Amino acid sequence: KNQVEQSPQSLIILEGKNCTLQCNYTVSPFSNLRWYKQDTGRGPVSLTIMTFSENTKSNGRYTATLDADTKQSSLHITASQLSDSASYICVVSDRGSTLGRLYFGRGTQLTVWP
Amino acid sequence: EADIYQTPRYLVIGTGKKITLECSQTMGHDKMYWYQQDPGMELHLIHYSYGVNSTEKGDLSSESTVSRIRTEHFPLTLESARPSHTSQYLCASSEMSAGPNEQFFGPGTRLTVL
Repeated sequence: KNQVEQSPQSLIILEGKNCTLQCNYTVSPFSNLRWYKQDTGRGPVSLTIMTFSENTKSNGRYTATLDADTKQSSLHITASQLSDSASYICVVSDRGSTLGRLYFGRGTQLTVWP
Repeated sequence: EADIYQTPRYLVIGTGKKITLECSQTMGHDKMYWYQQDPGMELHLIHYSYGVNSTEKGDLSSESTVSRIRTEHFPLTLESARPSHTSQYLCASSEMSAGPNEQFFGPGTRLTVL
């Protein structure tokens, strides 16, 4: 069964600190992995995308890593800001469908305190 | 920010009412999707469309129906709302090109059925 598991479920950090969010998946055949940021009451917005051959991708203070062998990904946030408070969702696509079926994790709820 | 819109953003209605959630996109995307998301849970695909006059049911069984008469418009209808329909509904769209493409999400409609 295709699944995406994220940890931790929630995380509280102080402004300016770094943090790392984890994602493990069993989706096969793998196509790509995206990290989305979802602010409260809003739709998800894509932060990064990685394909099978990529193992690191950065977008400003966000750096995602991918280990396709162990089927793990992480999202590292550097020098956190209050606006980083949101749910971060790991989303994996498979190569098996023309629809581009997405498999969603439940997200990590990040809260940044001043 | 993606050019995909949903109305209303919030809706509180009584049991038995008929409702239509609107979704429009101005990106010319052929593929459109409806997801249901409960707090702290992953997004579940309930409907999708490859283009005009194409509608398919998603992974999660839903009593709602959809239509796709115009490329830019993908409304979702509940004939008789029940408290179990209380949830957040997210609309998304993506390009038709082969393989999984980035899905752009609307801001969502939070539905509460009393």
